[in-house]
Amino acid sequence: AQSVAQPEDQVNVAEGNPLTVKCTYSVSGNPYLFWYVQYPNRGLQFLLKYITGDNLVKGSYGFEAEFNKSQTSFHLKKPSALVSDSALYFCAVRDPYNFNKFYFGSGTKLNVKP
Amino acid sequence: SAVISQKPSRDICQRGTSLTIQCQVDSQVTMMFWYRQQPGQSLTLIATANQGSEATYESGFVIDKFPISRPNLTFSTLTVSNMSPEDSSIYLCSGCRDREFDEQFFGPGTRLTVL
Repeated sequence: AQSVAQPEDQVNVAEGNPLTVKCTYSVSGNPYLFWYVQYPNRGLQFLLKYITGDNLVKGSYGFEAEFNKSQTSFHLKKPSALVSDSALYFCAVRDPYNFNKFYFGSGTKLNVKP
Repeated sequence: SAVISQKPSRDICQRGTSLTIQCQVDSQVTMMFWYRQQPGQSLTLIATANQGSEATYESGFVIDKFPISRPNLTFSTLTVSNMSPEDSSIYLCSGCRDREFDEQFFGPGTRLTVL
């Protein structure tokens, strides 16, 4: 079965410091990987996705993610965190054999302190 | 991407009643989904709303409890029937186009409280 894991329930970082939110995946076939952000009392917003090609994917709000096939990881990164980045982040994978299926991670709460 | 709206944004309901949540997309999408989410938690897929046919339910969810309609490619409803406090949650609608690398986009959610 396809799955993604977010090993950290919470990540704390100081404003201005780099941030990393971790995601590992288990997928048969070529993975289609996604990152979403959810601000309080809002729906999920799409940040970026990996389809194929360049392992470094750039997305919205200055976020990027690095696809690492050997480590089966797709970590979300940002060089300099903002207090406004504080939110809940979800990694997701789309089943390459059943496009109706998306599998979401458990979510990571990012806290950026001033 | 498309924009999804949901109505109502929140509601407080009495036990035993039913609530219908509407989801409207501003452009045609191939797939529509309904999720449930406890605040701060991950998403649980309830069902895939199929246009013109019965929804496809995930394990643990049944049509009698969560009837879903999808009369066209831009609109769907989810009804939470015979509600109990355990149904209190956030209900999210999402849409997706049919290329394998397309992302889902989500509505703002409906926060339901059952007393």
